[in-house]
Amino acid sequence: QITLEESAPTLVKPSQTLTLTCTVSGFSLTTARVGVGWIRQPPGKALEFLALIYWDNDKRYNPSLNSRLTITKNTSKNQVVLTMTNMDPVDTATYYCAHSPYRNGPLYMDVWGKGTTVTVSS
Amino acid sequence: ETVMTQSPATLAVSPGERATLSCRASESVRGNLAWYQQRPGQAPRLLIYDASTRASDIPARFSGSGSGTEFTLTISSLQSEDFAVYYCQQYFNWPPWTFGQGTKVEVK
Repeated sequence: QITLEESAPTLVKPSQTLTLTCTVSGFSLTTARVGVGWIRQPPGKALEFLALIYWDNDKRYNPSLNSRLTITKNTSKNQVVLTMTNMDPVDTATYYCAHSPYRNGPLYMDVWGKGTTVTVSS
Repeated sequence: ETVMTQSPATLAVSPGERATLSCRASESVRGNLAWYQQRPGQAPRLLIYDASTRASDIPARFSGSGSGTEFTLTISSLQSEDFAVYYCQQYFNWPPWTFGQGTKVEVK
């Protein structure tokens, strides 16, 4: 059974860097044709794709946030880490990580974590 | 980027009735479209991928159709647990993946 669990500080100050960790189980981050992505959802708003990393370390970013995001994976810990720099109150959201299969290109997210809520405030 | 537009924003339906949700893409996404259900306080759940394929353990009352720029999610007979927000997502024009703004299905 595939599961993902997000962790992060609940409160960060403006201009700080946010580090989000996704711990996965039920699959390996080196398994071919597997990816883990990050998606966020501001309160009462829609979903927004942030970044994705594949088994072969291929990385994809949302161009609108590219300069602020870095995604990495630690295969020994079964973790995917996303850092977002220069946090702003508009970045207040629930952040989800999700498992994504691969088929000649990026696909959908078939298993999601429960999400972690991050508030940006001084 | 490809803009996904869902309609209506809110749909009021009585239990047992049919619900039809629409999703339009600003450019063709072929059949690379997914639908997600999000219940209050929960993470999204994959319902449909490749426009019409039900994900694992999704009841047969959920069906998807369409290709190119016009897509539909149909719930044939609404159950109490189906009252939620539904999102479409395209994965053809990359980057980035893009989602619609959601349709809330509420009790009439």
